[in-house]
Amino acid sequence: EVQLVESGGGLVQPGGSLRLSCAASGFTFSSCSMNWVRQAPGKGLEWVSYISSGSSTIYYAGSVKGRFTISRDNAKNSLYLQMNSLRDEDTAVYYCARVAAAGTRYGMDVWGQGTTVTVSS
Amino acid sequence: DIQMTQSPSSLSASVGDRVTITCRASQSISSYLSWYQQKPGKAPKLLIYAASSLQSGVPSRFSGSGSGTDFTLTISSLQPEDFAAYYCQQSYSALLTFGGGTKVEIK
Repeated sequence: EVQLVESGGGLVQPGGSLRLSCAASGFTFSSCSMNWVRQAPGKGLEWVSYISSGSSTIYYAGSVKGRFTISRDNAKNSLYLQMNSLRDEDTAVYYCARVAAAGTRYGMDVWGQGTTVTVSS
Repeated sequence: DIQMTQSPSSLSASVGDRVTITCRASQSISSYLSWYQQKPGKAPKLLIYAASSLQSGVPSRFSGSGSGTDFTLTISSLQPEDFAAYYCQQSYSALLTFGGGTKVEIK
């Protein structure tokens, strides 16, 4: 079964750090580009970051650039999001999502269940 | 960044109704547009990619159209399981952006 499972969410104080993980199974992870997408409580979807299959290309949303770092370990079939200098507005459910094999034009076709990050004092 | 504007933000409809949701991009995005469905407490699900291609396993009552800046998602005959939120998303720019969402509610 094709699956993505996020972990690492939790409660953190403003200014703190957290590292999210996304474990992939059921497909050739090393061939797929990946995204992180978040959703604040009661709000819409917000793209956070993209990483290509070999980690050579990385992009960030302006709201997280300089604070968040995306990475991956293809040997471990895992995707990561290191989040530093967290702010109240980073509170959200964070999803990892697979870019369809044919490319970004084809959407994000597999999503994890999400992990909740709460930034609060 | 490319801005994606969806309308309406919410709508009420009955089972069997034809429903149309629109999405407008702030600049031309060719056909680099996807549509997602999200139910409460669940992850989004890809419905349409490349503006008009139906994702595998998605019922044929869903269809997408448009290119350039104006796009539509149509549900030809609304079913009980279709009550959800719908989002458009552009992938023309490397900095991906989503529309604000449309919540489809039961009338």
